[in-house]
Amino acid sequence: LAKTTQPISMDSYEGQEVNITCSHNNIATNDYITWYQQFPSQGPRFIIQGYKTKVTNEVASLFIPADRKSSTLSLPRVSLSDTAVYYCLVGPGVGSGAGSYQLTFGKGTKLSVIP
Amino acid sequence: GAGVSQSPSNKVTEKGKDVELRCDPISGHTALYWYRQSLGQGLEFLIYFQGNSAPDKSGLPSDRFSAERTGGSVSTLTIQRTQQEDSAVYLCASSRTGAKNQPQHFGDGTRLSIL
Repeated sequence: LAKTTQPISMDSYEGQEVNITCSHNNIATNDYITWYQQFPSQGPRFIIQGYKTKVTNEVASLFIPADRKSSTLSLPRVSLSDTAVYYCLVGPGVGSGAGSYQLTFGKGTKLSVIP
Repeated sequence: GAGVSQSPSNKVTEKGKDVELRCDPISGHTALYWYRQSLGQGLEFLIYFQGNSAPDKSGLPSDRFSAERTGGSVSTLTIQRTQQEDSAVYLCASSRTGAKNQPQHFGDGTRLSIL
C-alpha cells in the first residue's frame, strides 16, 4: 500500500486559498488519489478524487504532477466552516489482487481557519 | 437521499461484555466497509464486504472481532469479551460498487467506551 505523508496542521485566515500537499512516493500505476474532510464527531466526507493532472469540482481542486508522487488539494477562499481534518488517501484500483480492498487513512492535516 | 446510518451513536459497556454495532448503508450500495478510529489517530481499516461476502477481513485486530452482512444491506460488527483497548469510534462506509476508485460515504460512527 502506498504510504502518504502530509503536514500535521495548517493555519489560514478566512478568504485565503489553502493548499495542502500530500507525498506518496511509492504510488502504484493503478492507484487513485482521494481526499476526505472530517469534522469532529462526524464521519469523513468525500471531497475530490483524481488520477493525474488536474481535477476540479464545486468544493476544491486537486493538482497531480506528471510523476504522481505528490498531490495538492486546493481550497479556494476558505471560511471558518472549512476548519477540519483533511485526509489524503492513495488506493489500489480494481483487480490489484490480494489486499486491494484496504484503504489506509493517515493522521491527516488539521486545518484551522482563523477569522 | 438517506446517508449511511449507524447505531448506537454511543455505547458504554464494561470490560468483558460483548457488543454489537449496526450499519445501514446507502440503499443500492454493494460495498460496505468498517473502520476504527482511536483518539488522535487516523482511520484503521477493519473489513470489507462485497454483497454478503467479505473478501478482505485482514484488518480485524483479533478473533474477538467478527462481522456479517445480510441481504446485501445491513451489517453488524460484533466484539466479544471487550477490552479497554477496543475503545474507539467505529465507522461504517459504503460505496456504489467495490471498485477502489468509488468514493466511500461514511456514517457518523459509534463511539465505544469500555470501562
